[in-house]
Amino acid sequence: LAKTTQPISMDSYEGQEVNITCSHNNIATNDYITWYQQFPSQGPRFIIQGYKTKVTNEVASLFIPADRKSSTLSLPRVSLSDTAVYYCLVGDAYSSASKIIFGSGTRLSIRP
Amino acid sequence: IAGITQAPTSQILAAGRRMTLRCTQDMRHNAMYWYRQDLGLGLRLIHYSNTAGTTGKGEVPDGYSVSRANTDDFPLTLASAVPSQTSVYFCASSMQTNTEAFFGQGTRLTVV
Repeated sequence: LAKTTQPISMDSYEGQEVNITCSHNNIATNDYITWYQQFPSQGPRFIIQGYKTKVTNEVASLFIPADRKSSTLSLPRVSLSDTAVYYCLVGDAYSSASKIIFGSGTRLSIRP
Repeated sequence: IAGITQAPTSQILAAGRRMTLRCTQDMRHNAMYWYRQDLGLGLRLIHYSNTAGTTGKGEVPDGYSVSRANTDDFPLTLASAVPSQTSVYFCASSMQTNTEAFFGQGTRLTVV
């Protein structure tokens, strides 16, 4: 399993764009990159998943460079409700021995 | 409403007692997972099942057992609870491993 490294914490202000970078130097050819969000006292919630280049949905964008050794989750115009822990995961969706492993995550704090 | 349900929501358990945490999903997902999350920390995988009839060990399997007799249910059993098993337990499911996972609301377990 590829290990991921993320900043422990980040601070930003309402209305700003926030970029959280995840390093995964040992990513395998079949691995996808997935991000989850977790609020206090709740289970994680899926945000976005991608394999290469750029993926965008209604809440975030995911940028993956050509070498795929890192990825950046971009949250446009954050609000106070985006304060949460964000987890970057790397894994193969089709391996029978695969499993979802969470790292330590990035604690994002949004201020007024 | 389709989703994943855990029971009980919370429990105080005497050390040495046996306890089964229940998890049921109605999304016909192949993969299911059990995690524990200790205060202020990330999620650690206890056991997983990639498909009905199979199970595997995660990062912290000692003291826990699981079974996957059918697609919908994935109970987690503590054979003889110890105080270090005090934690919040999350069950999750996904169609395939490393695809979007859906989490239950968690079970807060206190072993005294």
